[in-house]
Amino acid sequence: GESVGLHLPTLSVQEGDNSIINCAYSNSASDYFIWYKQESGKGPQFIIDIRSNMDKRQGQRVTVLLNKTVKHLSLQIAATQPGDSAVYFCAEIWDNTDKLIFGTGTRLQVFP
Amino acid sequence: GAGVSQSPSNKVTEKGKDVELRCDPISGHTALYWYRQSLGQGLEFLIYFQGNSAPDKSGLPSDRFSAERTGGSVSTLTIQRTQQEDSAVYLCASRLGGIAYGYTFGSGTRLTVV
Repeated sequence: GESVGLHLPTLSVQEGDNSIINCAYSNSASDYFIWYKQESGKGPQFIIDIRSNMDKRQGQRVTVLLNKTVKHLSLQIAATQPGDSAVYFCAEIWDNTDKLIFGTGTRLQVFP
Repeated sequence: GAGVSQSPSNKVTEKGKDVELRCDPISGHTALYWYRQSLGQGLEFLIYFQGNSAPDKSGLPSDRFSAERTGGSVSTLTIQRTQQEDSAVYLCASRLGGIAYGYTFGSGTRLTVV
């Protein structure tokens, strides 16, 4: 079946630097994308979402970019902090369905 | 309640036993989802409820897995004759309405089959 994949399993960044987490998806019918943050022992926490009719959306210290031409999604975290250390998942909803399909995740490690 | 509540938080069971996992969604949330997360993996969709009905059961891995929801609220995921490969974290999420409302996840039940 269709799946959402991630380019890098682990990303290490220095505190204060910007982080970029990438995600590739294969289903052109996907119309809604969400980034989640999951800390150890907790459920996924919503970060930011974007619809397929947009190419960029900004939140507090986070930006999501969507390139439908190459089916690529990215999450940018500005001024990365130790509290940002977690596993980040992108997820997609296929057009006319009602379930999230998750990728395998990228672990973000922030070091001083 | 304020969030999605799952119980128990941890469950250790012997191979072959049945287990029940409970999810209390946010009050008023009509949609409820079960996912399974194996160690170091992403979330695997299991089943989705809209009210008390389950329009999509496509992710249930075998007929040992079943789920129900009563009163449009609490849901129970039952695994019969547990196997070691069933060991995982089982996550529940609820949503108020359309996708614009977003999904809220519980902290999960960590199931270990020994």
